[in-house]
Amino acid sequence: GESVGLHLPTLSVQEGDNSIINCAYSNSASDYFIWYKQESGKGPQFIIDIRSNMDKRQGQRVTVLLNKTVKHLSLQIAATQPGDSAVYFCAENQGGKLIFGQGTELSVKP
Amino acid sequence: ETGVTQTPRHLVMGMTNKKSLKCEQHLGHNAMYWYKQSAKKPLELMFVYSLEERVENNSVPSRFSPECPNSSHLFLHLHTLQPEDSALYLCASTKDPVAGYNEQFFGPGTRLTVL
Repeated sequence: GESVGLHLPTLSVQEGDNSIINCAYSNSASDYFIWYKQESGKGPQFIIDIRSNMDKRQGQRVTVLLNKTVKHLSLQIAATQPGDSAVYFCAENQGGKLIFGQGTELSVKP
Repeated sequence: ETGVTQTPRHLVMGMTNKKSLKCEQHLGHNAMYWYKQSAKKPLELMFVYSLEERVENNSVPSRFSPECPNSSHLFLHLHTLQPEDSALYLCASTKDPVAGYNEQFFGPGTRLTVL
């Protein structure tokens, strides 16, 4: 079956730097993608989403980029803060079912 | 808070015990989900209920039995579990699962340990 995956399992950045978390997907029919953040001891929390008719979407300090040509999704976090330390998942929404990637653990060094 | 609550937050049970996990959503959503989250693995969808009817059962062993008495409550009944069932069990809800553009809201999860 098709799946959603992440390129790197861990990412370490300096506080104040920008973070980029990548995701590859294989189902070209998917038309909606979500990024979730999961802190230790908590459930996944919605960060930002994007539909396939868009290439870029911005939120507060976060930007999601979608490249349908290479089936690639990325999450950019500006001015990374210690509170951004968490596991980040991309998910592909297929008719209400979410298919999750494995997750990237982001750690922020002070 | 996401509007989805789960109890208990932690559960330790023996392989012969029977226990239940509870999920409640206060968002007026129409669909609810059970996921299993194991270490180093993606979230695994277990069950989906839409308007209180089960619409998805992802080949989950019969020792897991879901129940959805109304659109706000979801249970997962557990019996004769195995140690490999130890995981974080997450409940989620969404407004309209058919629309396809609705994010799912997750509860904090129940950390289950089977001895």
